[in-house]
Amino acid sequence: GAVVSQHPSWVICKSGTSVKIECRSLDFQATTMFWYRQFPKQSLMLMATSNEGSKATYEQGVEKDKFLINHASLTLSTLTVTSAHPEDSSFYICSASGRTGEQFFGPGTRLTVL
Amino acid sequence: GENVEQHPSTLSVQEGDSAVIKCTYSDSASNYFPWYKQELGKRPQLIIDIRSNVGEKKDQRIAVTLNKTAKHFSLHITETQPEDSAVYFCAGGDGAGSYQLTFGKGTKLSVIP
Repeated sequence: GAVVSQHPSWVICKSGTSVKIECRSLDFQATTMFWYRQFPKQSLMLMATSNEGSKATYEQGVEKDKFLINHASLTLSTLTVTSAHPEDSSFYICSASGRTGEQFFGPGTRLTVL
Repeated sequence: GENVEQHPSTLSVQEGDSAVIKCTYSDSASNYFPWYKQELGKRPQLIIDIRSNVGEKKDQRIAVTLNKTAKHFSLHITETQPEDSAVYFCAGGDGAGSYQLTFGKGTKLSVIP
């Protein structure tokens, strides 16, 4: 149980385009989903917390207009990187949390912006 | 907010020896402390967690201890094997019910055959 999928697993895009990443909890209802960013050889940095049906809460320094988060259902959250630039290149990982609070991670999406 | 410090940043042990990774946290309201294992290019996997109402938890070769007074918790891996080689992250829950986690910087464990 507690399977979280993420799509796509990798994406390469041109500077200025937008990229959407999907995060799904496959076998449980996720009351809360989290989006992280991870640079090589570094820790997980929380970007935002989203609860189903409400606006996401962004961490300090994360631009909400650049990283759009939608949590339309208990099993799906999306992160859209708008007008991506090379500095947005990173490994983006989502996690989903159920009633007991444990976080289960998706496989991550490697974004490369040319 | 919560601040989690993790030590050491790298750890090398001989196969069969024990490995210990230590973390401290700052927010006394935190009550949930998971440990994750991340292999290169893969997702973090929850390996064990502990809540503030217990002082120790064990699962086969892995154990976690928690000292709430001192605000530190540790991961113990016994009889290490090469497949234990990975980056391990500790984390602390903010205790506010959202289960938001603050992660330590990670420990790269290398088990030498």
